[in-house]
Amino acid sequence: AQSVSQHNHHVILSEAASLELGCNYSYGGTVNLFWYVQYPGQHLQLLLKYFSGDPLVKGIKGFEAEFIKSKFSFNLRKPSVQWSDTAEYFCAGRGSSASKIIFGSGTRLSIRP
Amino acid sequence: GAVVSQHPSRVICKSGTSVKIECRSLDFQATTMFWYRQFPKQSLMLMATSNEGSKATYEQGVEKDKFLINHASLTLSTLTVTSAHPEDSSFYICSALGVAGDYNEQFFGPGTRLTVL
Repeated sequence: AQSVSQHNHHVILSEAASLELGCNYSYGGTVNLFWYVQYPGQHLQLLLKYFSGDPLVKGIKGFEAEFIKSKFSFNLRKPSVQWSDTAEYFCAGRGSSASKIIFGSGTRLSIRP
Repeated sequence: GAVVSQHPSRVICKSGTSVKIECRSLDFQATTMFWYRQFPKQSLMLMATSNEGSKATYEQGVEKDKFLINHASLTLSTLTVTSAHPEDSSFYICSALGVAGDYNEQFFGPGTRLTVL
């Protein structure tokens, strides 16, 4: 079955630390992958997406993600986090451009000032 | 970019009543819209996929008679929670499938927080 999994449920970092949030997917064939962020009390925002081409995808707010097909992974990275990055992060995927997006369980990121 | 709106943003109702939530694509036409539910501190769970002019496709475990979905036009889909109960209290989020560049993309609405007393 198609699925997206995030194994880090809660990550706590200090400001300026580097971030990597794990995401693994289970899709056969074509896969589109996404990272969304949900700040406290706010709605979903798209951070970045991968459809095809360069496996290293750069998004907004200094985030990037790398699609590694051999590892079925799409980890989110940021070299230096800020307190304002405190939020819930969701990895998501879909099997084709017209199909539904399935979300991972989410990772809560807490940044210590 | 493409904008999706939801109305209302918050609603409080009494147990046993029905609540209708609207999802609109403001500057594009969406033949397909999706409805998700998010419980506190949890992820988004897809409830159903609605296609304009046809019946919605519900995910396993979602009661279609309780969560009525109507997608009567290319810019509007509605979710009606019938005979709502406290366990239906949740954050309901819709998304609409639009075109961004060479690809289709889901654009998400801001969500509707439903509280059933």
